[in-house]
Amino acid sequence: AQSVSQHNHHVILSEAASLELGCNYSYGGTVNLFWYVQYPGQHLQLLLKYFSGDPLVKGIKGFEAEFIKSKFSFNLRKPSVQWSDTAEYFCAVMAFSGGYNKLIFGAGTRLAVHP
Amino acid sequence: EAQVTQNPRYLITVTGKKLTVTCSQNMNHEYMSWYRQDPGLGLRQIYYSMNVEVTDKGDVPEGYKVSRKEKRNFPLILESPSPNQTSLYFCASRYQQGASYNEQFFGPGTRLTVL
Repeated sequence: AQSVSQHNHHVILSEAASLELGCNYSYGGTVNLFWYVQYPGQHLQLLLKYFSGDPLVKGIKGFEAEFIKSKFSFNLRKPSVQWSDTAEYFCAVMAFSGGYNKLIFGAGTRLAVHP
Repeated sequence: EAQVTQNPRYLITVTGKKLTVTCSQNMNHEYMSWYRQDPGLGLRQIYYSMNVEVTDKGDVPEGYKVSRKEKRNFPLILESPSPNQTSLYFCASRYQQGASYNEQFFGPGTRLTVL
């Protein structure tokens, strides 16, 4: 069965620190990969996505992610975090199953950035 | 403004009292879906709908019902709520065109507490 694994459940950083959140997926077919962000009390918003082409994708707010097919990974990075990046981050894979595309989410990583 | 709306945003109820959470989208999306979000488990799909009158179970359908009589609306029904259905619920929608992916939009969430 398809699944998404996020390695860190809670991450605490100081402002200006670098961020890397791990994401691994298990799915044998062509994958579309996503990172969503959920700010406190808000709904999920798309941060970035990978369909094909350049494995290094850039998203909003200075985030980027790298797709490494051999490692089944899609890690999220940001060189210098801000207090406003405090949120929960979800990795997701779009898998084609049962005749339609299904979005499968990881458990989420809660990021707290201290001033 | 393109959006997915949910009502109510917050609900406290008692075991066994039937309730409905409404979801509506104004983007003419074929696909709609309900998720529940629980700490450490990420988002899990409850039910989805590919189009009007076409619905199917997701990963955690027990205790829930849905209907899709109109394209824009996809209500979630709890006939006899129980405390283990206390959760944060999200409705989502997107275009559905074969195997191609389209961005999925999420509603603001409904926080349900069942006493």
